[in-house]
Amino acid sequence: DTAVSQTPKYLVTQMGNDKSIKCEQNLGHDTMYWYKQDSKKFLKIMFSYNNKELIINETVPNRFSPKSPDKAHLNLHINSLELGDSAVYFCASSQDLVQASSYNSPLHFGNGTRLTVT
Amino acid sequence: AQTVTQSQPEMSVQEAETVTLSCTYDTSESDYYLFWYKQPPSRQMILVIRQEAYKQQNATENRFSVNFQKAAKSFSLKISDSQLGDAAMYFCAYSTGANSKLTFGKGITLSVRP
Repeated sequence: DTAVSQTPKYLVTQMGNDKSIKCEQNLGHDTMYWYKQDSKKFLKIMFSYNNKELIINETVPNRFSPKSPDKAHLNLHINSLELGDSAVYFCASSQDLVQASSYNSPLHFGNGTRLTVT
Repeated sequence: AQTVTQSQPEMSVQEAETVTLSCTYDTSESDYYLFWYKQPPSRQMILVIRQEAYKQQNATENRFSVNFQKAAKSFSLKISDSQLGDAAMYFCAYSTGANSKLTFGKGITLSVRP
């Protein structure tokens, strides 16, 4: 059973298109995240949701809109895709605040979605 | 703002030898958490080890241990008896108690020579 699953694994699309990446966690966690890893492998948080409420938005362009229909799902919709959006997008989840989580893995990551915009 | 610095872009180690990966951070918080994550070519992010700032004892996890120097804001990872499977990118990360986001360093690519 995959704890944090995101689909699709690969996504190739053209500039100007709108696309979505889906994420689901079956860990019963309250908090979910989207991280972006750019071409230089730099990882940076984009959004964080706690019980379906947005709690972190790290100055991400408005073209990116996360949606959390329930606390087990956090989808990422991207409008008007640009070349610079090409990256690997990671979904993650945690029980709540990092320090309150068990040691084994305070943050569970999905396997990433490689988005290529041509 | 908190920052995490990994100044070495890559390192190499002979199999069975020991290697130390450096990380420094900057924060004005007193309560925080530090992590090392491993990212193999499979792209998966794997937690290697975690350190609570309030604990003086350095964390260890099998062949992995840290040297946490709170005053110097240094958090290095030591890998003993290196194995071929240790080859990966390693990210140092920081989190406070105020929120749950991780701030990552730029990562270091570790190669292991057979």
